[in-house]
Amino acid sequence: GQQVQQSPASLVLQEGENAELQCNFSTSLNSMQWFYQRPGGSLVSLFYNPSGTKHSGRLTSTTVIKERRSSLHISSSQTTDSGTYLCALEGASSSFSKLVFGQGTSLSVVP
Amino acid sequence: GALVYQYPRRTICKSGTSMRMECQAVGFQATSVAWYRQSPQKTFELIALSTVNSAIKYEQNFTQEKFPISHPNLSFSSMTVLNAYLEDRGLYLCGARDWEYEQYFGPGTRLTVL
Repeated sequence: GQQVQQSPASLVLQEGENAELQCNFSTSLNSMQWFYQRPGGSLVSLFYNPSGTKHSGRLTSTTVIKERRSSLHISSSQTTDSGTYLCALEGASSSFSKLVFGQGTSLSVVP
Repeated sequence: GALVYQYPRRTICKSGTSMRMECQAVGFQATSVAWYRQSPQKTFELIALSTVNSAIKYEQNFTQEKFPISHPNLSFSSMTVLNAYLEDRGLYLCGARDWEYEQYFGPGTRLTVL
């Protein structure tokens, strides 16, 4: 079954609003990464966050292993934040280095 | 810093022909290399994992006969798509890491099949 459930599938925000993206997983976790996928397809690594909370500018990632979830919070959204956000997990029982990706959240920030 | 390069960035091949793509890790040792594919309108799926001193492991639906991979040293890997057809089009990403550290991705090779 699906190991990673990402939500919402799409989100439209007014510039300045905050966004909360969720990733729920059904397996125990070795690591969790959040990526931004550029329009051309390449991935930008936002966070490598196996547990706890990490901050980077307007972005915050929180992974709660017990609850099997990870979130990406974008504060004061800007139009340049528009794009696809992906979470990817490496399960504790899976092959080393095997990342399972979520289906992605398509974010659109309008002026 | 750690960087991963991929060549070519874009390629077009005729149906039934083959194409080879390369992955270069710079600034760290690529003890494991993972190849992923993102088909149109889908998320990334793992094709195979290559870890130094271990056999290459292919995921279900992917075979060595179709996607042969070479990982000759700690900085380079290549994968060939043999006998490419329409369903093989998409973005192929190489992810490399040094043991338990973060996985770094290249920019991808976008394959179009005519």
